[in-house]
Amino acid sequence: DTEVTQTPKHLVMGMTNKKSLKCEQHMGHRAMYWYKQKAKKPPELMFVYSYEKLSINESVPSRFSPECPNSSLLNLHLHALQPEDSALYLCASTPEGSSASNYGYTFGSGTRLTVV
Amino acid sequence: GNSVTQMEGPVTLSEEAFLTINCTYTATGYPSLFWYVQYPGEGLQLLLKATKADDKGSNKGFEATYRKETTSFHLEKGSVQVSDSAVYFCALSDQGGSEKLVFGKGTKLTVNP
Repeated sequence: DTEVTQTPKHLVMGMTNKKSLKCEQHMGHRAMYWYKQKAKKPPELMFVYSYEKLSINESVPSRFSPECPNSSLLNLHLHALQPEDSALYLCASTPEGSSASNYGYTFGSGTRLTVV
Repeated sequence: GNSVTQMEGPVTLSEEAFLTINCTYTATGYPSLFWYVQYPGEGLQLLLKATKADDKGSNKGFEATYRKETTSFHLEKGSVQVSDSAVYFCALSDQGGSEKLVFGKGTKLTVNP
């Protein structure tokens, strides 16, 4: 299995809703990432988990809450989002954090989030 | 800090034309360099990579050579197909152990039959 699987593929939520995005990989990768991509822009790093511990938080607002329950799963909990948070949310993984320099990232197909 | 500059798009070509997408970088140390491709409605796929100077990455007819003297990693393909229509991102990763990839702004390629 060489994939990163993200669910759901599409999500529409109201500003008062609570929802979660899910990411799963079974490649034995120990570093997992959340990226946010606005239309016609490059991906922007949000969070990095290395060995199930949060290692980088790129000053992301607290309405985004990441969670790494185990080495295969990464969640992004969403609460009280704003319309400007509408974007494609991408999950990625690498064998371990420092190996990104040699392997690059394996990305999922993303969750397209619309906040209404 | 590290940065990547890509040529502005969009780029429109006819099928079988030659493709070049320019990418230059600014980095401390010795970064690894990548090209990612994003097809409409999808995530990013690693297209090719190079981890040291003079390395040539290649995949699916695409090539790019890591040129340290010009700090460049230009993407080329000799004969593009309609199926190559996508957005292409150049990226770098600091070999000093950084967990981050730094992306260029992306170049949209459209290939017409």
